[in-house]
Amino acid sequence: DQQVKQNSPSLSVQEGRISILNCDYTNSMFDYFLWYKKYPAEGPTFLISISSIKDKNEDGRFTVFLNKSAKHLSLHIVPSQPGDSAVYFCAASAPGAGSYQLTFGKGTKLSVIP
Amino acid sequence: KAGVTQTPRYLIKTRGQQVTLSCSPISGHRSVSWYQQTPGQGLQFLFEYFSETQRNKGNFPGRFSGRQFSNSRSEMNVSTLELGDSALYLCASSLTLSGQSYGYTFGSGTRLTVV
Repeated sequence: DQQVKQNSPSLSVQEGRISILNCDYTNSMFDYFLWYKKYPAEGPTFLISISSIKDKNEDGRFTVFLNKSAKHLSLHIVPSQPGDSAVYFCAASAPGAGSYQLTFGKGTKLSVIP
Repeated sequence: KAGVTQTPRYLIKTRGQQVTLSCSPISGHRSVSWYQQTPGQGLQFLFEYFSETQRNKGNFPGRFSGRQFSNSRSEMNVSTLELGDSALYLCASSLTLSGQSYGYTFGSGTRLTVV
């Protein structure tokens, strides 16, 4: 049972345009969401996060939107740059006693075309 | 500040063998978690250690085990290797169990190939 789903395995976007990466979740206990970026042969790098008490968090070119009623979040990258080409993972965590486990989606490979 | 260090970077083992992977967290980080990444399943949680105690375990068979030392360094062990264990094994550290504001810091991983 996949609790965090990224239904688009890949996405291609022209440089300068907006990239929108989507993520859906099923576990209503999730209260914190994160996006990670991963280049080949490297570990994932933390990008941006959002708490369930917010519906938007912005950091430079990156904005994450959370729609709790729809159990959906999205990552917007504006403007997209070739260096943004990577695999993006959506992750979520639920409050737990003495634990901080992340549940990841399977990732979306973003290709930004110059 | 040194990042999360995982050794070795690459490993080739034969079915039935056992393997030990090592992870040195960022200095001062006391929480270490392990994840398995495969093309079909994405990143899957293996286990989490904090102050030498396993706090949480994912849905993996008992062949997968780990431990954490007093200096927060961690090792994971896989016994009786199977072909399906071929994966990238990622270690992540965080300052506390509640490091939600910063997320994890991941190492570059150990690429294990079982032949």
